[in-house]
Amino acid sequence: AQSVTQLGSHVSVSEGALVLLRCNYSSSVPPYLFWYVQYPNQGLQLLLKYTTGATLVKGINGFEAEFKKSETSFHLTKPSAHMSDAAEYFCAVSASYNQGGKLIFGQGTELSVKP
Amino acid sequence: DTEVTQTPKHLVMGMTNKKSLKCEQHMGHRAMYWYKQKAKKPPELMFVYSYEKLSINESVPSRFSPECPNSSLLNLHLHALQPEDSALYLCASSQVFFGNTIYFGEGSWLTVV
Repeated sequence: AQSVTQLGSHVSVSEGALVLLRCNYSSSVPPYLFWYVQYPNQGLQLLLKYTTGATLVKGINGFEAEFKKSETSFHLTKPSAHMSDAAEYFCAVSASYNQGGKLIFGQGTELSVKP
Repeated sequence: DTEVTQTPKHLVMGMTNKKSLKCEQHMGHRAMYWYKQKAKKPPELMFVYSYEKLSINESVPSRFSPECPNSSLLNLHLHALQPEDSALYLCASSQVFFGNTIYFGEGSWLTVV
């Protein structure tokens, strides 16, 4: 069965510092992996998605993630944090073929950015 | 245009009321979803409609009743809710294939008093 683990429920960085949010997954099929961001009082917005092919995926707002099959990881990074990046981030994996479009979410990581 | 529109944005209802949440998308997606999200938690799947037919019900209590009138609209009818049902309700849509991106609306904040 598919599952997602996000290491660290809360991450705090200084403005301009590297952002690293960790995600490990378990999947019985080749995974489709997603990162979503949720700003306060808003819905979820897709940051980026891994399907197949290139293992380094670029997303919106300067974020990128690297798919590492050997480590079953899909960590999210951004070279330089902005105050506007403060939000909740969810890593997700598509459930198996017979479960339609169901997503399995991690527990989320709250990112704080200090001035 | 990757937009899922939800109304109302905020809803306060009593435990004996009947109300509905509405969702609309014009992306040609044939799968639509209802998720429930509590504060500081990930979204929890409630229902999935595929080609206007209910394909997944995650054992949701019958006080929540989904309806998909056509391929663009999704409703969630609410009746006799409990205070613990207060949450953010997210509608979403996607193409009907494994691994397709799911696009979320802004959500409807529901408070049951």
